[in-house]
Amino acid sequence: GESVGLHLPTLSVQEGDNSIINCAYSNSASDYFIWYKQESGKGPQFIIDIRSNMDKRQGQRVTVLLNKTVKHLSLQIAATQPGDSAVYFCALYAGNMLTFGGGTRLMVKP
Amino acid sequence: GAVVSQHPSRVICKSGTSVKIECRSLDFQATTMFWYRQFPKKSLMLMATSNEGSKATYEQGVEKDKFLINHASLTLSTLTVTSAHPEDSSFYICSARGQRHARTQYFGPGTRLLVL
Repeated sequence: GESVGLHLPTLSVQEGDNSIINCAYSNSASDYFIWYKQESGKGPQFIIDIRSNMDKRQGQRVTVLLNKTVKHLSLQIAATQPGDSAVYFCALYAGNMLTFGGGTRLMVKP
Repeated sequence: GAVVSQHPSRVICKSGTSVKIECRSLDFQATTMFWYRQFPKKSLMLMATSNEGSKATYEQGVEKDKFLINHASLTLSTLTVTSAHPEDSSFYICSARGQRHARTQYFGPGTRLLVL
């Protein structure tokens, strides 16, 4: 079955620094990837997505990098702010099936 | 963006009772709705997929008689936890998908269930 995992369960960064959250996947048929942010007691919130025909996509303060060769996905947050504190999940599609990764908690120190 | 609501946001019930959770798509028609369960500090685990007007498809290990799902309209799906036990306590999240974008799921805010 599919395996989607994260290298770091908890990441603590200083406010203003950049954050990098990593995700590894195993299904080579995955062709669409999404990062979600989940604050405590709330549902997942879409952050950014990337298709498998791309290796980088930028949003506002966020960048997603995709390395299909090693099946690795990362989310970079620039100038991390206290409001970025949350759990971040990678999720991927193979066909129309969405699978979530294990999640990384980002803690931003003031 | 599309909005999905859930009701109630949190519920406490006694062991043995049944609890119904509603999931509504507020500004679009959801041909497919998904129900997830999330334990503390864990990821979302898909429980079942429901298509409007048909029976839900349950993931392996999810008891369909325990977790009753009804998707009677294009804007409403309900999850009923029957004869709830303390181990059913969890965070239940629904998501909805419309007709236009097959891979875009809009998530609800979740329902916290505590069974005493």
